[in-house]
Parts: sequence; structure tokens; C-alpha cells
Amino acid sequence: DFQMTQFPSSLSASVGDRVTITCRASQGFGGWLAWYQQKPGKVPKLLIYKTSILESGVPSRFSGSASGTDFTLTISSLQSDDFATYYCQQYGNYPWTFGQGTKVEIK
Amino acid sequence: EVQLLESGGGLAQPGGSLRLSCTASELIFATYDKHWVRQAPGKGLEWLSSVGGGGAATAYADSVKGRFTVSRDSSHRTLYLQMNSLRAEDTALYYCAARRGCSGAICYGLEYWGQGALVTVSS
Repeated sequence: DFQMTQFPSSLSASVGDRVTITCRASQGFGGWLAWYQQKPGKVPKLLIYKTSILESGVPSRFSGSASGTDFTLTISSLQSDDFATYYCQQYGNYPWTFGQGTKVEIK
Repeated sequence: EVQLLESGGGLAQPGGSLRLSCTASELIFATYDKHWVRQAPGKGLEWLSSVGGGGAATAYADSVKGRFTVSRDSSHRTLYLQMNSLRAEDTALYYCAARRGCSGAICYGLEYWGQGALVTVSS
């Protein structure tokens, strides 16, 4: 099966920092990759789909990119509302798979 | 308003069965792909199953294939997940989620999520 390896599993950052989270795919899948944000006790929220398309209403400080089989979520200037867990998900091949998650914590 | 509402969670014994329901708004039920995703306590997200907007195409994760079955009832705008042969590791919050599917060259991510139904498998 398709594997998505997400790293780091956690990171500590300060407000205003630039943050990057990476997902590495075990094989190509057409770039059908989404990023989700989940806050404690809350439902996941779609941030980005098709590698780099921002979901409506998501702040422009979030961006997505790819290089080969590495996919990156970047938060250009971390805000207090961004402390959460982030997941990547490939949806190019069934079964769909999520990355393991990255918890972004306050430094 | 777009809405997904799960029900049917609860306590089941190992080897037992439960059926989850997800009632969707008219728009979502008629045209969106619908999916089940779960999250074990303190763990990450796990995609489980999907049914296409038209209801014909289904897919499953290896972890539930042969044990779980997704179906839909158009008259009640409801998606079901029949869970059989339950195991302790199936204990999780089960989300119903939906997306527009694909439009032209773009396929969307999971845009809409229900609040989840908690399933506990324990003797």
C-alpha cells in the first residue's frame, strides 16, 4: 500500500516563525495531496488540496508545494491560532492514506 | 447549510457489530463523495471507506476490508457503516466526511466533516 511519512512528529515554534512540515510519499500519485488542521477536540479542517490550492477562507500564510515525492506545508508567519496538529493525506490512490501528523506547539 | 450528522456509536463487545449512520444535507448526499475516517484516542486520522456520489463505487482500507461495509439509503439521505467482527483496536471516534469529488482537472480534499461518533470495543 501507499505510505505517507510525515515529519517532524512535533515542533515548537514562536509566533511569527516560519514553519515547514513535510510528507514523503512511497510512490508517485499525481500530486493529489491535501493538508488538514486539527485542534484539540475539534473536527479536522481542510487547508490545501491538489498539493497547493488553498481552500476557500484559509489564510494566505498557509501554502503547499512539492518536490518529487516530498510535499511541504509552509506557514509563513505562525499565528497563535495556528497551534494545532497538521495532517497530510494522499487521495490519488485507494486506499487513501494520512500522514502520522505534526503537532505544532508554542515555544 | 451543508451538514453531516453521525449517530449509532456506543459500546460493543469484541466480535460484535455496530452500525453507524451519517445523515447528510440534500446537496451533499446527492452529489458528493462520502467517506468514513476514524481517530483512535490520542492518535492520528485513518481513512476507512468511501462511496461515490452516485453510490456505485466503494473502497476500503485494508484494516477494515471484509469486516466493514459502507452503504447508503437515498430516501433518508443517510450513509451507513456496518461494522462486524469488531476488535479492541477499532475503538475510535468515527467521522463521516464529504467532498465534491472531481470537477474537470481538479479533485478536492475532504471539505465537510461531521462531529464524529464514538465507538468503544471492550468486554
